[in-house]
Amino acid sequence: KAGVTQTPRYLIKTRGQQVTLSCSPISGHRSVSWYQQTPGQGLQFLFEYFSETQRNKGNFPGRFSGRQFSNSRSEMNVSTLELGDSALYLCASGRESSYEQYFGPGTRLTVT
Amino acid sequence: AQTVTQSQPEMSVQEAETVTLSCTYDTSESDYYLFWYKQPPSRQMILVIRQEAYKQQNATENRFSVNFQKAAKSFSLKISDSQLGDAAMYFCAYRSRSGGSRLTFGEGTQLTVNP
Repeated sequence: KAGVTQTPRYLIKTRGQQVTLSCSPISGHRSVSWYQQTPGQGLQFLFEYFSETQRNKGNFPGRFSGRQFSNSRSEMNVSTLELGDSALYLCASGRESSYEQYFGPGTRLTVT
Repeated sequence: AQTVTQSQPEMSVQEAETVTLSCTYDTSESDYYLFWYKQPPSRQMILVIRQEAYKQQNATENRFSVNFQKAAKSFSLKISDSQLGDAAMYFCAYRSRSGGSRLTFGEGTQLTVNP
């Protein structure tokens, strides 16, 4: 069974631009969560989607948004990029019937 | 709000020896899950072991075992017969039983395995 996939793996953007990251969960998983990992703040929860609905949201500004499609694939969007948005963005998926989550390889975003 | 604390930023162990990584957490909930994740240099987060709070028996997965002390809110990871491939950043994580799949992570412990 294929694992969680994230595209692109690496991205370089300029301050002020916007970016869209994609996450495809493991087949059969309907929950998708997003995390931001930085050296200074560690791993922080962004939001969670389940059956196309946002179920949880972390403490991030409105520039960070996401959505989930009917096939459970999820995208997150960051508008008006700031230098501080440079981070590894991780996506995790899980089944509703299980408390385990499995992570993708991440997207490394660099904002210059 | 729940918090997770890993007080050891770095640990080292000799190959084939045993090492214990510490984790404490704070919560007012009685039902939750705890996890240890491993993040090697590839940055891929790998689930190492999980514990359900209502289970008193400590979880074990091959060379990895936990010491779960619910009253003390402590959840340590023991790695036996350490191997070079165990070198990684280890994160302790908390998940409430209610309220979705949100994980709260500790700061991480960087484990070095010396040959």
